[in-house]
Amino acid sequence: DAKTTQPPSMDCAEGRAANLPCNHSTISGNEYVYWYRQIHSQGPQYIIHGLKNNETNEMASLIITEDRKSSTLILPHATLRDTAVYYCIEVGGAQKLVFGQGTRLTINP
Amino acid sequence: DAGITQSPRHKVTETGTPVTLRCHQTENHRYMYWYRQDPGHGLRLIHYSYGVKDTDKGEVSDGYSVSRSKTEDFLLTLESATSSQTSVYFCAISTSGGRYNEQFFGPGTRLTVL
Repeated sequence: DAKTTQPPSMDCAEGRAANLPCNHSTISGNEYVYWYRQIHSQGPQYIIHGLKNNETNEMASLIITEDRKSSTLILPHATLRDTAVYYCIEVGGAQKLVFGQGTRLTINP
Repeated sequence: DAGITQSPRHKVTETGTPVTLRCHQTENHRYMYWYRQDPGHGLRLIHYSYGVKDTDKGEVSDGYSVSRSKTEDFLLTLESATSSQTSVYFCAISTSGGRYNEQFFGPGTRLTVL
């Protein structure tokens, strides 16, 4: 079972920042936080990952709290194409991803 | 898109028949994975491979077998399909260099078992 907790759904206005929270209160010291998204009917797409420092790439920013028990994925200027299900995943070794239910993000015009 | 293709993309079959799904990659990545996705669920790992002839079970491996005789192909076989195996199946690969959890997914195969 997935060990992270995410809100089932969120809405955001086009052009605004979308902030998606994730709770991972049982994360261990060597586990990373990975974010993927799945646009309708397509395979999931990797977005970003982090261990304890904040991370930024061309798609998003990841803010991890100092105690590492939660994180926030930020899409700085959401577009309609960002409408998708977003998954937050704790990952240790063994190259295995355990997907939960994710957050269904809807970007509204 | 990491050069991943899946075939067939859609298949309808009957209970009790064998079914093989193929995942093909063009970039010689070491790790390959098979997932299934059902309504109301996230993806669940069936089997994965970490090299030619090297495979291991995931969380929902019962009723499935896999084979990897060459780097570019990872086959998923349902020996005797059941209605509970109706699902969308996704193949994934991960790149090398330690970034094993950055997985790239194929377009999926929609399987219906009647």
